[in-house]
Amino acid sequence: EAQVTQNPRYLITVTGKKLTVTCSQNMNHEYMSWYRQDPGLGLRQIYYSMNVEVTDKGDVPEGYKVSRKEKRNFPLILESPSPNQTSLYFCASSIGGGIAKNIQYFGAGTRLSVL
Amino acid sequence: AQKITQTQPGMFVQEKEAVTLDCTYDTSDPSYGLFWYKQPSSGEMIFLIYQGSYDQQNATEGRYSLNFQKARKSANLVISASQLGDSAMYFCAMRGGYGGATNKLIFGTGTLLAVQP
Repeated sequence: EAQVTQNPRYLITVTGKKLTVTCSQNMNHEYMSWYRQDPGLGLRQIYYSMNVEVTDKGDVPEGYKVSRKEKRNFPLILESPSPNQTSLYFCASSIGGGIAKNIQYFGAGTRLSVL
Repeated sequence: AQKITQTQPGMFVQEKEAVTLDCTYDTSDPSYGLFWYKQPSSGEMIFLIYQGSYDQQNATEGRYSLNFQKARKSANLVISASQLGDSAMYFCAMRGGYGGATNKLIFGTGTLLAVQP
């Protein structure tokens, strides 16, 4: 089954404790992206990757890191989480960037609470 | 700058009736794509339907259709014969066709639809 898999689905942590949210897709997609969803704001892009070793900032990159060492994986790293990073996070992938019609498929989401 | 506006925070509809969810967009690019996603209470984002800016016909996918009015910059989602399982948050989104605008989806704030029996 074609899918984007995020782990964990739920995470409660404390301020300053480094964490990683994993994302993996089995569709051989070149493009992957991370979004965060906050009430009243919709989804906003954090980082994206056009291919292996090619990453770039989205609209809200502060406090986050990413890496793309393999095509299928695109982990999101919070080096020192803060309470304002409490949010619902989504990983998405599509065949490629650069074309408007490429549909982005989303993972099931990771609900993060930073205390 | 590109922007998506969804002016209906919440809506009710009776089961088996049709409902229209509004979406207006703003872009100066001639090429772009418009998307609708469904987010049920379980939280995942489910792709519903796509409309390209150069498409001549309105997109349809089963009970979903997109009422695309390019001159008015609107891309309303129409759900026919609503079902209880349609109760969810619905997001309109846009992806640009050139340069950096192709690298992300711009989302609206969503419309929460409740289908009543």
